[in-house]
Amino acid sequence: QQQVKQSPQSLIVQKGGISIINCAYENTAFDYFPWYQQFPGKGPALLIAIRPDVSEKKEGRFTISFNKSAKQFSLHIMDSQPGDSATYFCAASGGNEQLTFGSGTQLTVLP
Amino acid sequence: DSGVTQTPKHLITATGQRVTLRCSPRSGDLSVYWYQQSLDQGLQFLIQYYNGEERAKGNILERFSAQQFPDLHSELNLSSLELGDSALYFCASSVSLGYGYTFGSGTRLTVV
Repeated sequence: QQQVKQSPQSLIVQKGGISIINCAYENTAFDYFPWYQQFPGKGPALLIAIRPDVSEKKEGRFTISFNKSAKQFSLHIMDSQPGDSATYFCAASGGNEQLTFGSGTQLTVLP
Repeated sequence: DSGVTQTPKHLITATGQRVTLRCSPRSGDLSVYWYQQSLDQGLQFLIQYYNGEERAKGNILERFSAQQFPDLHSELNLSSLELGDSALYFCASSVSLGYGYTFGSGTRLTVV
């Protein structure tokens, strides 16, 4: 099963708040879990990625939490800013296969 | 600029027509992937090439075809176009299979 399930579909957060987006996967062969950020009219851009040998990775205000046993991973955006308003996609790949993307989360950060 | 170049940026064509979308991967990247993104839809994988060879196929219609040339650029051919083919088509490239994708800015196809 190659599916990656992402939730919520949309998220509204106040400026300064924490945005949390969750993803779940089924394929235990997946060993690479990136998050992409997409602004309207632009291509997705790699935001942060994690391998299953660590449970957390932080880059600035963005953190990936990874739970291998539950086959879940999440993106936390701390101190969310209006400029973070975009669509976020989780993805997964493994075994030299192509990335499988989640359905996307439209994040709106209110000023 | 991501380093992945897609042309044209916009394309408007009539139903039944055929179009070709072009992608130049980032320098050094051997893998090219094509994705379709419809309105309010996620990224649907179409097809992957690695160093000139087809590597994997996703939900690509029989009316669609692609190839990767010796200089590693790729073309996606869409024929007998239907209204439902209107979408953003993205190309991505990577050095390694399945990792570290870099996306282009896409081609917005409108079929009228």
